[in-house]
Amino acid sequence: AQSVSQHNHHVILSEAASLELGCNYSYGGTVNLFWYVQYPGQHLQLLLKYFSGDPLVKGIKGFEAEFIKSKFSFNLRKPSVQWSDTAEYFCAVSSPGYSSASKIIFGSGTRLSIRP
Amino acid sequence: DAGVIQSPRHEVTEMGQEVTLRCKPISGHDYLFWYRQTMMRGLELLIYFNNNVPIDDSGMPEDRFSAKMPNASFSTLKIQPSEPRDSAVYFCASTYSGRSDTQYFGPGTRLTVL
Repeated sequence: AQSVSQHNHHVILSEAASLELGCNYSYGGTVNLFWYVQYPGQHLQLLLKYFSGDPLVKGIKGFEAEFIKSKFSFNLRKPSVQWSDTAEYFCAVSSPGYSSASKIIFGSGTRLSIRP
Repeated sequence: DAGVIQSPRHEVTEMGQEVTLRCKPISGHDYLFWYRQTMMRGLELLIYFNNNVPIDDSGMPEDRFSAKMPNASFSTLKIQPSEPRDSAVYFCASTYSGRSDTQYFGPGTRLTVL
């Protein structure tokens, strides 16, 4: 069965610091990978996604993620965070062979707090 | 587009009462998902529908939970009877086959069972 691990439950950074949030998945086949963001009191929004091609994916708001197949990882990065990046970040995986809109498995989330 | 619409946004009820949560997916979307989010368990998929038909309900916690999708523009998640441990935020999400798995989430319903 698929699973997603986010080992950092809570990350605290100062503004302008660089960010890297870890995400590892377990699934032997082809995967689609996602990062969703949930700002305080709001619903989940898609930050970026990887389906195929260039393993370095650029998303909204200066975020990027790199798919490393050999490590089963899809870490999220941002070179310089802002206070407005305070949110909870969810990594997710789905298997495209299951169906064209298959079940997505979410990680437990990483809460990011940015000190102004 | 108005996005995924959920109602109510907040619900407070007493243990034993029936609770019905509602979702209107984005027009044209043929998949609908119900999730539950809690501090302890994170985001859990409860059930999802394709073309109004339930495909996978393995995440539904127990028989007290039921979900229906009578048509392409409406779904309900019902809890009867409700218990305090059902307190959570319930999200509905939708997508369509051509969007390659990108799901669009509603604002959620925050349920508190006293």
